[in-house]
Amino acid sequence: KNEVEQSPQNLTAQEGEFITINCSYSVGISALHWLQQHPGGGIVSLFMLSSGKKKHGRLIATINIQEKHSSLHITASHPRDSAVYICAVRAGGYGGSQGNLIFGKGTKLSVKP
Amino acid sequence: DVKVTQSSRYLVKRTGEKVFLECVQDMDHENMFWYRQDPGLGLRLIYFSYDVKMKEKGDIPEGYSVSREKKERFSLILESASTNQTSMYLCASSLWGTSDEQYFGPGTRLTVT
Repeated sequence: KNEVEQSPQNLTAQEGEFITINCSYSVGISALHWLQQHPGGGIVSLFMLSSGKKKHGRLIATINIQEKHSSLHITASHPRDSAVYICAVRAGGYGGSQGNLIFGKGTKLSVKP
Repeated sequence: DVKVTQSSRYLVKRTGEKVFLECVQDMDHENMFWYRQDPGLGLRLIYFSYDVKMKEKGDIPEGYSVSREKKERFSLILESASTNQTSMYLCASSLWGTSDEQYFGPGTRLTVT
């Protein structure tokens, strides 16, 4: 069983729809990252969070530490949001340069005009 | 803005060749990482380095080595390239370890024939 599971694997939406991507993990973590990868390969960090909720523009990320679950929401989706969204967690406690990220396999989002 | 650059976007090599992939970051980050990304498997850590001349194996180090002679540069070396090393290779850097935000390079798509 993977330590980080994302759902769905693939998602197709119409422009303007509200989108939710889910991430569940099975280890204790110190931080969770949401990353975005556009076609062509480049990866951009969207959020890093360890509790609660963060918002940036139309993107909202939430995390429930007790339930070991995080969601990424996109409001008023647009074709330019089409990308692969990757959840990654850092297991263990804070501090130190060791303790690698564990990645989910990604959710491929396609937003149709 | 942090900038992470990789020496090539696309590379084609023959089986048995020695391959060097170079990564440079311009923000004085201590930590640098090499990942490979394959369909259905997500990102997997090959090696990381938390200081000059320091390196640690990631999840899949077999067939690879690394070099970090200067803080800003982290090289991935395939001593004798094989077809199963055809993949997308991504470099990343971060300031204090993986609990901090990682900044990714654009990726190198390597094909070994």
